Amino acid sequence: DAKTTQPTSMDCAEGRAANLPCNHSTISGNEYVYWYRQIHSQGPQYIIHGLKNNETNEMASLIITEDRKSSTLILPHATLRDTAVYYCIVRPRKSQGNLIFGKGTKLSVKP
Amino acid sequence: DSGVTQTPKHLITATGQRVTLRCSPRSGDLSVYWYQQSLDQGLQFLIQYYNGEERAKGNILERFSAQQFPDLHSELNLSSLELGDSALYFCASSVAGVNSPLHFGNGTRLTVT
Repeated sequence: DAKTTQPTSMDCAEGRAANLPCNHSTISGNEYVYWYRQIHSQGPQYIIHGLKNNETNEMASLIITEDRKSSTLILPHATLRDTAVYYCIVRPRKSQGNLIFGKGTKLSVKP
Repeated sequence: DSGVTQTPKHLITATGQRVTLRCSPRSGDLSVYWYQQSLDQGLQFLIQYYNGEERAKGNILERFSAQQFPDLHSELNLSSLELGDSALYFCASSVAGVNSPLHFGNGTRLTVT
């Protein structure tokens, strides 16, 4: 499975957009990009996933570069409740299997 | 609320003991996954079941075992407990289709004293 690289930590002002980057330069054509977050010792929460097109749902937007070597998760209007560890995960396209979590990015939303 | 239920929420026990953690997946989900999260190891995949059969194994110790029952609930059994087994244990479930997201419960916090 392709490896991902994320910054260890980021800060964001409340009400502003939070842009979380992820590098996955060894991603292959049959691998999806998944994003999860974990709010202080709660279970990881699914946010969004995509293959090559940009995706948007009620929680966030996922922007994947054309070469698919990196992506950005965007929380359009961050709130204090978005403070969490955010995980970017690459998963094989036909996977029915588990997700491999790295260390993620600790996002702190500040008032 | 993810729809995945884990019991108990907290468990405190002594070294050498055996415990059972229980997971009820979301309605309709056939796959169940177990993860361990300790302070120094992050989220580690332990084992996956699909419709009652073991599908994949990760870093699961021989002292640990799991099963998935006909009603699709799953149990993780931890025996001969050591201090280092203290951790959060998460269960996740997913539907049968490919590339289905995993949905996690809120975990069982195990403390071994």
